[in-house]
Order: sequence, then structure tokens, then C-alpha cells
Amino acid sequence: SQELEQSPQSLIVQEGKNLTINCTSSKTLYGLYWYKQKYGEGLIFLMMLQKGGEEKSHEKITAKLDEKKQQSSLHITASQPSHAGIYLCGADIGLNSGYALNFGKGTSLLVTP
Amino acid sequence: GAGVSQSPSNKVTEKGKDVELRCDPISGHTALYWYRQSLGQGLEFLIYFQGNSAPDKSGLPSDRFSAERTGGSVSTLTIQRTQQEDSAVYLCASSLGTDPGELFFGEGSRLTVL
Repeated sequence: SQELEQSPQSLIVQEGKNLTINCTSSKTLYGLYWYKQKYGEGLIFLMMLQKGGEEKSHEKITAKLDEKKQQSSLHITASQPSHAGIYLCGADIGLNSGYALNFGKGTSLLVTP
Repeated sequence: GAGVSQSPSNKVTEKGKDVELRCDPISGHTALYWYRQSLGQGLEFLIYFQGNSAPDKSGLPSDRFSAERTGGSVSTLTIQRTQQEDSAVYLCASSLGTDPGELFFGEGSRLTVL
């Protein structure tokens, strides 16, 4: 099965600073999904990347997919306390029966005043 | 409801007891998933339902785990003879079933086995 490694495992940044989270796959990435989980809550979909070189943005969060490196990065510009939470990347497990995601272990982000 | 609903939100049980966790997906979503989230282990895929097809049980960790989905809607995850290592947050998600697509997650059921 596909393994997804996220780095760093945890991150503490000062409000207003930029940060990057990486997700590296052990296999070719045909699609990569980013989710955010607030502490004690379910996961919220952020964005989906399907093509090599694709880049998407949502408010101050930008994600890119590098197929050659089998990697995706998520960049937050001018971080705010509302960005705090756990960021998880997901990729298609490749079920024979259909479609489901395999997830990385997540990156915990804390934004300090 | 507007989102995926799970119950109970918290469950404490004794080792060896059976537990049932319920998931009510978003109306119209044909795909339903169960995941398990353990501390330090990330999200682990358990089982996948798509419409009226037989579920994909390839992620279930042992035969003590089973799930059903009645009428293509509500799903129940059953854990028999619970063990301490079963303690985790069990998350349910649903989607339109398009490939690929966005998963909508519930807030989870936290299971603690004493």
C-alpha cells in the first residue's frame, strides 16, 4: 500500500509568519488531498490536486503537487491563530472495489500570538 | 441533517464487551467510509461501502470488527470483545462516490476500553 510521510510532525509559529508542510509518497501520486482537523473535531477538506505541477489556493493556503518528486507541499502565508490544527494529506489507496484515501500521520500546527 | 452525524460521541467500555458505533451520512451520498484514528498512528482505513455493492473490508484489523449499512444510508460499526488496543477515535465519512471526490467527515466517536 502507499505510504505517506508528512514533515514536520509538529510546528509552532508566531502569528504572521509563513510556513510549509510537506507530504511525500512512497508511490506515484495520481491525486493528493489536503484536509485540516481542528482538535477534537472531524476532518475538513481543503483542496485536491490531480495534475503534476498543479497549484491551488484557498485564502492564504496554497498547495502544490510535484509528481516527479512524489511530493506535495502546503504553504500558509501570514499565519493566523485560526490556522491552528492538524493538517493531513491523503492519497488514493487503490482499492479494487473503488475509491478510498490513505492518510499521512498529520502535522500539528500551533500559531502563537 | 446537514453533515455526517456519529453517535455516541464518547463511549467508555470494559474490556471484553461489545460496542456499536453509528454513522448517519449526508443524504444522497452513496459512498461511506469508516476510519480509525489512534494517537500517533494517524488515520487508518477500515471499511468502504458504495451503494448496494458488497463492502470492501480490506482495512478491518481483525474478525472482531464488522460493519453494515442498512438501506444504503445509516451504518453501524460493531466491535466484539473489545480490547484496550481498540481505544481510538472512529471517524465516519461519506461522499458522492465520484472518483475522486471530497470526503465529508463526522466528528467521530471516541472509544475508550478500560
